[in-house]
Amino acid sequence: DTEVTQTPKHLVMGMTNKKSLKCEQHMGHRAMYWYKQKAKKPPELMFVYSYEKLSINESVPSRFSPECPNSSLLNLHLHALQPEDSALYLCASSQSPGLAGHEQFFGPGTRLTVL
Amino acid sequence: GENVEQHPSTLSVQEGDSAVIKCTYSDSASNYFPWYKQELGKGPQLIIDIRSNVGEKKDQRIAVTLNKTAKHFSLHITETQPEDSAVYFCAACSLTGNQFYFGTGTSLTVIP
Repeated sequence: DTEVTQTPKHLVMGMTNKKSLKCEQHMGHRAMYWYKQKAKKPPELMFVYSYEKLSINESVPSRFSPECPNSSLLNLHLHALQPEDSALYLCASSQSPGLAGHEQFFGPGTRLTVL
Repeated sequence: GENVEQHPSTLSVQEGDSAVIKCTYSDSASNYFPWYKQELGKGPQLIIDIRSNVGEKKDQRIAVTLNKTAKHFSLHITETQPEDSAVYFCAACSLTGNQFYFGTGTSLTVIP
């Protein structure tokens, strides 16, 4: 299984809602990533988990809260988002953190719209 | 930190022609350079990568070249097909970190 799955595919939420994005991989990868991608732009790194511990937080606002319950799952909890947070949220995983040459496998993304 | 520049931002070619996309990077510590293809509504998918100990790598119609001295690398697609139409991103990564630095993307259109 060489797939990263993400749910939901689409999400529409109001600024006062609380929602969560989910990501799952069963490749035995020990690094997992959250990216934000705006239209016609490259992915922007948000968080990196290495061995289920948060290793990189790219100065992301606290309204985004990541969680890694186990080595296969990654969540992104959303609360009090702003319309400018509307974007494609991508999850990725790689075999081993901190080593170059390990491909990052991306999921299909969750298209988030904040009203 | 690393800075990756990518050109052109848009590229249109006739079916069967070749397409070339170029990237430059700034950090000499970068030693892994993947290329991703992103189709509309999908996540990026790795199509080819190269490490700094290799100057060229080929996989069927796709090839990547790397010039470490000049700090640039290029993607070459030969005999382009309409299904090659997508946005392509280059990236650079260093041995000391697991963070990819992406280029700004190239929107490739192959005209049948």
